[in-house]
Amino acid sequence: AQKVTQAQTEISVVEKEDVTLDCVYETRDTTYYLFWYKQPPSGELVFLIRRNSFDEQNEISGRYSWNFQKSTSSFNFTITASQVVDSAVYFCALTPLNSGGSNYKLTFGKGTLLTVNP
Amino acid sequence: EPEVTQTPSHQVTQMGQEVILRCVPISNHLYFYWYRQILGQKVEFLVSFYNNEISEKSEIFDDQFSVERPDGSNFTLKIRSTKLEDSAMYFCASSESGYTQYFGPGTRLTVL
Repeated sequence: AQKVTQAQTEISVVEKEDVTLDCVYETRDTTYYLFWYKQPPSGELVFLIRRNSFDEQNEISGRYSWNFQKSTSSFNFTITASQVVDSAVYFCALTPLNSGGSNYKLTFGKGTLLTVNP
Repeated sequence: EPEVTQTPSHQVTQMGQEVILRCVPISNHLYFYWYRQILGQKVEFLVSFYNNEISEKSEIFDDQFSVERPDGSNFTLKIRSTKLEDSAMYFCASSESGYTQYFGPGTRLTVL
């Protein structure tokens, strides 16, 4: 069974501050994918990043960066110089790669509500 | 950019009624999913569908639920006899390879 924990329920920052959203996961699978999705107030789920378990390189995309550490089972997400438009719920999710080719169901964390104030 | 679409955006129904939620996945995608999110809670997997059959379903996906791909473009979720606790946002997702899932905007189902 998989489990994703996002211990921060809500975070509030002032614009231009950096903020890190934590994600810790549990899985018995040796290969898996990790994801971050953004859910803005409008409600849709927007894919941000996918990371596979055998690639621990950190990734940067503009103001977004992700730190994957297999040793601590963490996949943290940092927003640099936050903006009001970053206000959303952010979900971390996991899918094992050992379940076969026809099902990659996502297990989501409970999400972190990020509020960026002007 | 291709996207997953869902209709209706909001459905209000009476308890015990049947509802059909519709999704049009991205056209070259082969894997299809339904998830639901009860207000303020996490997103939960309901069912996955590949090669015209269910790959896996969760405990939530009981006999009241069914999925269908009636033609080459639509993917539907039917709830036969809705209960109050079925009120939630229902998300359809599709994937080309099974790995990265792209979600639709969701259908908010309200059962009265």
